[in-house]
Amino acid sequence: ETGVTQSPTHLIKTRGQQVTLRCSSQSGHNTVSWYQQALGQGPQFIFQYYREEENGRGNFPPRFSGLQFPNYSSELNVNALELDDSALYLCASSADTNTEAFFGQGTRLTVV
Amino acid sequence: AQSVTQLGSHVSVSEGALVLLRCNYSSSVPPYLFWYVQYPNQGLQLLLKYTSAATLVKGINGFEAEFKKSETSFHLTKPSAHMSDAAEYFCAVSAASGGSYIPTFGRGTSLIVHP
Repeated sequence: ETGVTQSPTHLIKTRGQQVTLRCSSQSGHNTVSWYQQALGQGPQFIFQYYREEENGRGNFPPRFSGLQFPNYSSELNVNALELDDSALYLCASSADTNTEAFFGQGTRLTVV
Repeated sequence: AQSVTQLGSHVSVSEGALVLLRCNYSSSVPPYLFWYVQYPNQGLQLLLKYTSAATLVKGINGFEAEFKKSETSFHLTKPSAHMSDAAEYFCAVSAASGGSYIPTFGRGTSLIVHP
């Protein structure tokens, strides 16, 4: 059984650019959640996908968008990058919306 | 609405000493409570969770936490610290809302273990 994997592990982008982060959920999991963790802070919930539909969204602007695919892998897209978007982006998958979430190791995004 | 307050951004203990990391929560409905650990450049690993069963919850690596409704607390303890326990610890609260449960995390407490 493979765990949650995220790619890439590190990324540097320029302000105004767009970025796509990817997450492969654990086998058998149909729910994926994305979090932003700024330096020295706890993770902040961005949104959750359940069976390819958005199932909850945190307080993030529309330029943060996502997708979940039929195999339950997921993407996080961020348009018009800002310096404050620099953070560790964590993906977590779970077998259902109300079961334990397992986290990937994250993607470290730096916006310059 | 739900929130978590972790008291102390840093806690320093000697190896072998008691570890106590404090967490207070706020929730308008009965909560689920969690403690996660994060090692440098890693994702989060679940240490333990409270989901309305026994109020004393035992987790991995010798950690445990006690849910105290009257104090709205869920403090994490370990009788004897090891050097390998040095990490960032996050308390989180969630409540079933519209069929999904999405944890709200505290800001974290960095545990420092001295030899």
